[in-house]
Amino acid sequence: GESVGLHLPTLSVQEGDNSIINCAYSNSASDYFIWYKQESGKGPQFIIDIRSNMDKRQGQRVTVLLNKTVKHLSLQIAATQPGDSAVYFCAEKSASGTYKYIFGTGTRLKVLA
Amino acid sequence: SAVISQKPSRDICQRGTSLTIQCQVDSQVTMMFWYRQQPGQSLTLIATANQGSEATYESGFVIDKFPISRPNLTFSTLTVSNMSPEDSSIYLCSVVSETQYFGPGTRLLVL
Repeated sequence: GESVGLHLPTLSVQEGDNSIINCAYSNSASDYFIWYKQESGKGPQFIIDIRSNMDKRQGQRVTVLLNKTVKHLSLQIAATQPGDSAVYFCAEKSASGTYKYIFGTGTRLKVLA
Repeated sequence: SAVISQKPSRDICQRGTSLTIQCQVDSQVTMMFWYRQQPGQSLTLIATANQGSEATYESGFVIDKFPISRPNLTFSTLTVSNMSPEDSSIYLCSVVSETQYFGPGTRLLVL
């Protein structure tokens, strides 16, 4: 069946360093991916997305990389700040499905001062 | 982007009672969804709220337990019926508009 998972449940990063959060997906037919940030007590917040016809997309301090060969997605955060501390989820939408998104288990990012 | 509000933001309820959660969107959207997020877990889709027709439920969720209303393109409600402590969770409203957006969530604790 379809699944989206993350390699690391918790990631601790020194403030100012770069963070890399990884995600593996199993459905090669998925054509759209999203990264969400969820701070404590809040709903998931859209960070950045990427379509399957791209392998890289950049935002403000964030970059998403998509490797369709190995079905791997990553989120890179440059110069990590204390405000980046949160749980990060990847989500996948199948090209063959409706608007259902499959969410990964989440990675908690802890920024150390 | 879509701005989503939910009411209540949190509640503490007694077992056996029911709670209705409201979701309001600042624009008309076709697709609205309700998710559950149990403590420390990821998001699980409960149902798709269809305007003008019955909601479509995912495996493991039934209408009697989670009745949903969708009276128009900007509003939906989710009721958690006959609650038990296992229903303690965050309930999230979501819409698809360009991409998928989430509301702030309703934190429910059932005693």
